[in-house]
Amino acid sequence: GPKVLQIPSHQIIDMGQMVTLNCDPVSNHLYFYWYKQILGQQMEFLVNFYNGKVMEKSKLFKDQFSVERPDGSYFTLKIQPTALEDSAVYFCASSLAGTEYEQYFGPGTRLTVL
Amino acid sequence: AQSVTQPDARVTVSEGASLQLRCKYSYSGTPYLFWYVQYPRQGLQLLLKYYSGDPVVQGVNGFEAEFSKSNSSFHLRKASVHWSDSAVYFCVLSPYGSSGNKLIFGIGTLLSVKP
Repeated sequence: GPKVLQIPSHQIIDMGQMVTLNCDPVSNHLYFYWYKQILGQQMEFLVNFYNGKVMEKSKLFKDQFSVERPDGSYFTLKIQPTALEDSAVYFCASSLAGTEYEQYFGPGTRLTVL
Repeated sequence: AQSVTQPDARVTVSEGASLQLRCKYSYSGTPYLFWYVQYPRQGLQLLLKYYSGDPVVQGVNGFEAEFSKSNSSFHLRKASVHWSDSAVYFCVLSPYGSSGNKLIFGIGTLLSVKP
């Protein structure tokens, strides 16, 4: 079936540094999402992105977070600066217009902030 | 508040046995409900979905789920499990009409199938 790719699979950085997580969504999908899962906790919605704009974001989507998808390339989540509590697995998802609730997920990027 | 509860963190069954994974949701409106499965080192895959109509929905690989509005539940079932069904299963709620199409996840149930 359709696949969402995420690069890298694991990233280790020092607190205060910037990090960019990359997502290659399904090619004809128009809606893009980021979710965050802290170890042992539920996966939580971060943000939804459509037509170049953030549609909805949760309280977890701090001011240090930003998303973009320049010219149909990767859908990215940037964190600048990072904090210890940003350590988690970040999942990217995408969906078609008209079936927005049926989201296709990537395998996740494990971010470790030291 | 909107939430999903999966009361069993881990379930172990023998190959060929029947399976039920429990899921309760909390949402006052019309829920869209899903079960996703995650195999090791892979992304989550949609197993089945419920929007409306027949409360029993069929999914891939012999899985089915039954929606109960009175019990606020959406339990997943399979008549006979295979060792390849070992994975983490997530029950997921989407509040109908949410502007961001966000999904609300349960914590997941790790299914281990003994040969």
